[in-house]
Amino acid sequence: RKEVEQDPGPFNVPEGATVAFNCTYSNSASQSFFWYRQDCRKEPKLLMSVYSSGNEDGRFTAQLNRASQYISLLIRDSKLSDSATYLCVVNFRAGNMLTFGGGTRLMVKP
Amino acid sequence: DTGVSQDPRHKITKRGQNVTFRCDPISEHNRLYWYRQTLGQGPEFLTYFQNEAQLEKSRLLSDRFSAERPKGSFSTLEIQRTEQGDSAMYLCASSLAGQGNTGELFFGEGSRLTVL
Repeated sequence: RKEVEQDPGPFNVPEGATVAFNCTYSNSASQSFFWYRQDCRKEPKLLMSVYSSGNEDGRFTAQLNRASQYISLLIRDSKLSDSATYLCVVNFRAGNMLTFGGGTRLMVKP
Repeated sequence: DTGVSQDPRHKITKRGQNVTFRCDPISEHNRLYWYRQTLGQGPEFLTYFQNEAQLEKSRLLSDRFSAERPKGSFSTLEIQRTEQGDSAMYLCASSLAGQGNTGELFFGEGSRLTVL
């Protein structure tokens, strides 16, 4: 079983749609959680951290369920520029040894 | 440009040759990481340094892979006796230890390796 699992997609949605991605992780001792974004042929970049209480950044909302070892990302009012691969990332131990999921590809269409 | 830089950006080599990649982190960052990414997959952790100390190397893919950071600044990743399965993007990232658990790794644009 992979340490961090995601549905690879692609998710094809129209502009303005709401889309949600899920991610599960295997290590219950995981310390911190993140979503990174990776554009085609580019390097990954931090999108947002994920906190136990849930957090929001504009159109993006992240949720963490430690009991179920589950992380989600919700994107409201999708834009064409949101088209990218979204990587679920978990830090299992100190030292920032981030473990990445395989990514979920999103394509927003006009 | 003060971001993470990697060199070369592309490397094509024949099977059995050795290759070396260089990474220059953001200057004030004391942690440096190497990841490998293949098509359609997320980055796979290989190793990391804090200053010149290599704190984790158990994830290096085989004994053909080695990394150094001799003066705690730039780092090199060497692959000896390359195999076709080594073809991938090799990503370097850096961070500041004090922010160690913020999740903010700053990645370079990567070095793409093609083994013929």
